[in-house]
Formats: sequence, C-alpha cells, structure tokens
Amino acid sequence: DQQVKQNSPSLSVQEGRISILNCDYTNSMFDYFLWYKKYPAEGPTFLISISSIKDKNEDGRFTVFLNKSAKHLSLHIVPSQPGDSAVYFCAALETYKYIFGTGTRLKVLA
Amino acid sequence: KAGVTQTPRYLIKTRGQQVTLSCSPISGHRSVSWYQQTPGQGLQFLFEYFSETQRNKGNFPGRFSGRQFSNSRSEMNVSTLELGDSALYLCASSLDSGYTFGSGTRLTVV
Repeated sequence: DQQVKQNSPSLSVQEGRISILNCDYTNSMFDYFLWYKKYPAEGPTFLISISSIKDKNEDGRFTVFLNKSAKHLSLHIVPSQPGDSAVYFCAALETYKYIFGTGTRLKVLA
Repeated sequence: KAGVTQTPRYLIKTRGQQVTLSCSPISGHRSVSWYQQTPGQGLQFLFEYFSETQRNKGNFPGRFSGRQFSNSRSEMNVSTLELGDSALYLCASSLDSGYTFGSGTRLTVV
C-alpha cells in the first residue's frame, strides 16, 4: 500500500509560469518531508525539505507547502525554467528510511 | 568533497546468476541506504546500515542482502537473479537527516 502518493505522473508547464507538484500521504505520524529532483542517468538530488512544525519553506524559486490536516504537500517552482525538466519525488521520513512517491515528470516548455 | 560513489554504473547479468553492487559513502557519513527504482514504482527501500548494523529492511525477498564494512562502505548482493530485478539500484548516505544519492547502478537481467 502506497503511503506516499504522487497522483500526477507527468506535468507540462510553459517557461516562466508556475509549476505545482503535489504529494499526498496517509500516515499522520510523518513529520519530515523532502523533495528530490532526478535527471536521467543521475541519482536524485535534494531540493528542499519541510518539518511538520512549519507549513511553508522557501528556497529561491522553490517553495514547499505542507497541509497537515489534509496530509498533503506541494512544491511550487516559480518561475519555471527549461532546466527544471526532470522527475520530482516527494519523500516522508519514517524510522531509518524515507518513503518515496512514484514521482512526477515535469516538462518545462520553452 | 567526494560524493557517493557506486560501482559499477552498468551491469548485465543472466537469470539465475548473482550480483554484488558497491557503494562508497561521503566521508564521515555512517548511514548507508539502498533503494531500487523501477518505472512506475518510484524508489523502493531495500535496507539501511549504520556502523555495520542493519537498522531497517524493506519488503524484499531474502535474495536481496547487504552489508556494511568498518569504513562505512556498503555492498548489496542479489542472488538467483530474476528478470524483474532489472532496475536502477541507488545508494544514499546521510549524516543526520536527508540523503545524498549516488548515480546508481543500472542492472539488466537477461
């Protein structure tokens, strides 16, 4: 049973617009979340994190929002750039491991 | 500062064979985790080691095993390979929270 879900396998956005990637989780005990970006033939790279004591964390063009009551988090990328085209994974921390979603492939169109 | 190094990058094996993959973590990182990535399944947790002890294990058959050495380097072994074991195997090291991933080993079973 998938505890972390990314229901959109793919997303296309025009360059300069906002990209919104969504992630839902089922376990209310999760209290730390990460987003990773992955290019083909490379390992995932860390983007941004958020702890459950916050509802928003910002780092440059990337902002993560956490809605604990809805068990939902989202990653906003503003403005989107062609170099942002990649697969994005959200992950939730459980004891000694992260549980990853299945990923969303973002394509930013020039 | 060297990143996480995984060897080999690519591997082709025949059904029934066994394979050993290697991971060298970032210097000073004592935790090493292994994940399997397949299309549509995201990253599935295999196991995590800390100071040569396995602290957590995912839901994989006993054909998948691992170990960690005193220098924190880790190996994972898959015995009696099946076609379904074809995947990207990712190793990640961490100091506290958050992972740094290697580039992975692409295993193809024919």
